[in-house]
Amino acid sequence: AQTVTQSQPEMSVQEAETVTLSCTYDTSESDYYLFWYKQPPSRQMILVIRQEAYKQQNATENRFSVNFQKAAKSFSLKISDSQLGDAAMYFCAYRSAQGAQKLVFGQGTRLTINP
Amino acid sequence: EAQVTQNPRYLITVTGKKLTVTCSQNMNHEYMSWYRQDPGLGLRQIYYSMNVEVTDKGDVPEGYKVSRKEKRNFPLILESPSPNQTSLYFCASSFFGRDVEQYFGPGTRLTVT
Repeated sequence: AQTVTQSQPEMSVQEAETVTLSCTYDTSESDYYLFWYKQPPSRQMILVIRQEAYKQQNATENRFSVNFQKAAKSFSLKISDSQLGDAAMYFCAYRSAQGAQKLVFGQGTRLTINP
Repeated sequence: EAQVTQNPRYLITVTGKKLTVTCSQNMNHEYMSWYRQDPGLGLRQIYYSMNVEVTDKGDVPEGYKVSRKEKRNFPLILESPSPNQTSLYFCASSFFGRDVEQYFGPGTRLTVT
């Protein structure tokens, strides 16, 4: 079974600075997807960024980028120019490219932005 | 507007009183799923459905039931709730395929006393 681990329960960063959230995963599959979701106080699950395992290029979405290290099974999220609205719980998630669409989530990292 | 809706959004109930949390999507998705979110554990899948009348257990199915009689609806049933089912519940749906996004409902905060 696949597992996802986020070892940082809480992180904080100064506004306008850069922060990196860590995620590692375990799988025997070679074809899969990785995601970062943001959960603000409203509790809504918002997709931030996605990475396809067979693509070597790291995904980017505006101020959000990932460092995908397939061999190391590592998938970190970098947030540049942090803004107060980035404060949220962030979840890393894995989905196999085969079969059902089940998402396997990490434990979450609570990010605080200091003004 | 494409969306997944859940009702109720908040519910406080007592041990043993049967309840149903509804989930509905308007995107004609085949796949629907329920997750529960607990502190320090992230989200874990309870049940999922790949189409009408096709449901299967996820990772934490004990104490829950589901049904899929219509494509758009996927209710979660707690026939005899217990305090350990106090949690935040999410319904999600998507099409099948490689490059598809799962859409999440707004969440239901359930407290069982």
